[in-house]
Amino acid sequence: KQEVTQIPAALSVPEGENLVLNCSFTDSAIYNLQWFRQDPGKGLTSLLLIQSSQREQTSGRLNASLDKSSGRSTLYIAASQPGDSATYLCAGRYNFNKFYFGSGTKLNVKP
Amino acid sequence: KAGVTQTPRYLIKTRGQQVTLSCSPISGHRSVSWYQQTPGQGLQFLFEYFSETQRNKGNFPGRFSGRQFSNSRSEMNVSTLELGDSALYLCASSPGQGQGYNEQFFGPGTRLTVL
Repeated sequence: KQEVTQIPAALSVPEGENLVLNCSFTDSAIYNLQWFRQDPGKGLTSLLLIQSSQREQTSGRLNASLDKSSGRSTLYIAASQPGDSATYLCAGRYNFNKFYFGSGTKLNVKP
Repeated sequence: KAGVTQTPRYLIKTRGQQVTLSCSPISGHRSVSWYQQTPGQGLQFLFEYFSETQRNKGNFPGRFSGRQFSNSRSEMNVSTLELGDSALYLCASSPGQGQGYNEQFFGPGTRLTVL
């Protein structure tokens, strides 16, 4: 059974700090992994998509990596800002276009 | 390019009633997936439609159903509402085939409250 886990559930950091969010998945037969951001009461905003053949993707201050052999993905946020405060979710895509989401990491960046 | 739209944004119903939610995907996208999000269970996959056919289904009771029209717009119906159906219902749009077909783009969601 495919399971996706995110640790920690919540994280509070001062502004300017670099941070890493973790995502673990049990089934290495993953097609891709997508990172999302969700603001309270809102939908999900796609941040980065990493295909199974890729090792990492970058967009601005964000860098996501994927290691299928260890079943892990990380989202690195550089020079965090208060506007980065949100819940970050990862989702693994498996066969037949099925997606499995982690429970998210709630990030608070303090000014 | 317009994003994914969902209507209505908020809905209040009573137990036993039924409800229909609507999702319009990004132009050109043929796949629409539906998710239920609750504080206790997180995001759970309901079903996916591609070219008017249900391609995937999650583990929800038959009270939850959906359909997709020829213009790729999709509707989700929940019959005989229960208190536990209160949730944020999200739909996601993706091309559905070809390179990049698996990247999902989400709508703002419909907040359903069952009293």
